[in-house]
Amino acid sequence: DADVTQTPRNRITKTGKRIMLECSQTKGHDRMYWYRQDPGLGLRLIYYSFDVKDINKGEISDGYSVSRQAQAKFSLSLESAIPNQTALYFCATSDSTSPRGNEQFFGPGTRLTVL
Amino acid sequence: AQSVTQLDSQVPVFEEAPVELRCNYSSSVSVYLFWYVQYPNQGLQLLLKYLSGSTLVKGINGFEAEFNKSQTSFHLRKPSVHISDTAEYFCAALEPHSGTYKYIFGTGTRLKVLA
Repeated sequence: DADVTQTPRNRITKTGKRIMLECSQTKGHDRMYWYRQDPGLGLRLIYYSFDVKDINKGEISDGYSVSRQAQAKFSLSLESAIPNQTALYFCATSDSTSPRGNEQFFGPGTRLTVL
Repeated sequence: AQSVTQLDSQVPVFEEAPVELRCNYSSSVSVYLFWYVQYPNQGLQLLLKYLSGSTLVKGINGFEAEFNKSQTSFHLRKPSVHISDTAEYFCAALEPHSGTYKYIFGTGTRLKVLA
């Protein structure tokens, strides 16, 4: 079984709809991240959480919100989806702040299309 | 501004030929450097990392990278590629941030191995 899972894997929605993307992990890591990937732009950090009581904005948090329901679950919401939020979304985890332990483990991604 | 630059967005190469994927980082980021690989329809996975010590780092699947401080580069190489190496490759660096570190990703290089 995959260590980091994301649901749904694909989603098509309409402008203005509320969308939630879910991420679960079985790695026991405290740290979880949401990224979006756009062609030619690489990965950009949306939000990150170092534990269930710690939520931080990344570089492109506008239009998004998150919820850390438990150590293992981290959800990303688009309150009112717009077409330029069409992208591939990745959840990732890591278990340390130190460089030596800072390998990130990625989920398979959610492809979101906003019409 | 801190940045990681991948100079080539796409690299086509014939099977069994050598390949080099270029990555340069700004000197203001920490010198903790990573290469991640993203196979089609999958999340990213760690290929190799440089934290300290020997400047030549060996990773999985026959890849290696050399840290060059004077040129602020961390180029990825493989002496003989296979069709299965077709993927997108991301260079990344850790940036100190609020007492911890966050990733800065390059924009990615698509490696296309041709038969």
